[in-house]
Amino acid sequence: AQRVTQPEKLLSVFKGAPVELKCNYSYSGSPELFWYVQYSRQRLQLLLRHISRESIKGFTADLNKGETSFHLKKPFAQEEDSAMYYCALSGPGSARQLTFGSGTQLTVLP
Amino acid sequence: DAGVTQSPTHLIKTRGQQVTLRCSPKSGHDTVSWYQQALGQGPQFIFQYYEEEERQRGNFPDRFSGHQFPNYSSELNVNALLLGDSALYLCASSLVVPANVLTFGAGSRLTVL
Repeated sequence: AQRVTQPEKLLSVFKGAPVELKCNYSYSGSPELFWYVQYSRQRLQLLLRHISRESIKGFTADLNKGETSFHLKKPFAQEEDSAMYYCALSGPGSARQLTFGSGTQLTVLP
Repeated sequence: DAGVTQSPTHLIKTRGQQVTLRCSPKSGHDTVSWYQQALGQGPQFIFQYYEEEERQRGNFPDRFSGHQFPNYSSELNVNALLLGDSALYLCASSLVVPANVLTFGAGSRLTVL
């Protein structure tokens, strides 16, 4: 069975500090991973997907198959990065349904 | 484009009742997925609809059923409500490929008393 683990429910960093949100997964096949974000009073939205290899809003995430991890990183956090972040794994089958972790609430302090 | 719209935004039901939630997908999208999000948890996949058929289903009982209409809008029905069905129900739309790049609605908050 596939599983996504986000070990930190809460994470606080100061503005300008580096930030890393951890995500580990369990999946027997070739994984496709995502980060979704929910800002205060906004809808859940896609931040990035690993196959795009993009940097969105300064965030990057590298898939490490050996460690089964997909940690989200940003070198210099901004206050507007404060949000709930969900790591998600896409499943097999035509529907490609997402299995989400339980989320990490990031707070960037001034 | 209003994106994904869901109704109602909030509703309260009692145990044993039935509920219908509605969703209109983002313009241009043809696939609708439903997720349940319990408090403090990530969203959990209920099922996905494409071409008016249930394409895949998550680990939810048959009390949860759905429908997709020719205009791609969708309904989620839950029968014989239990207290544990209290949650935020999220509708997400996508293209059929890639079906995992989702645009989410704001959700319908269901409280079962």
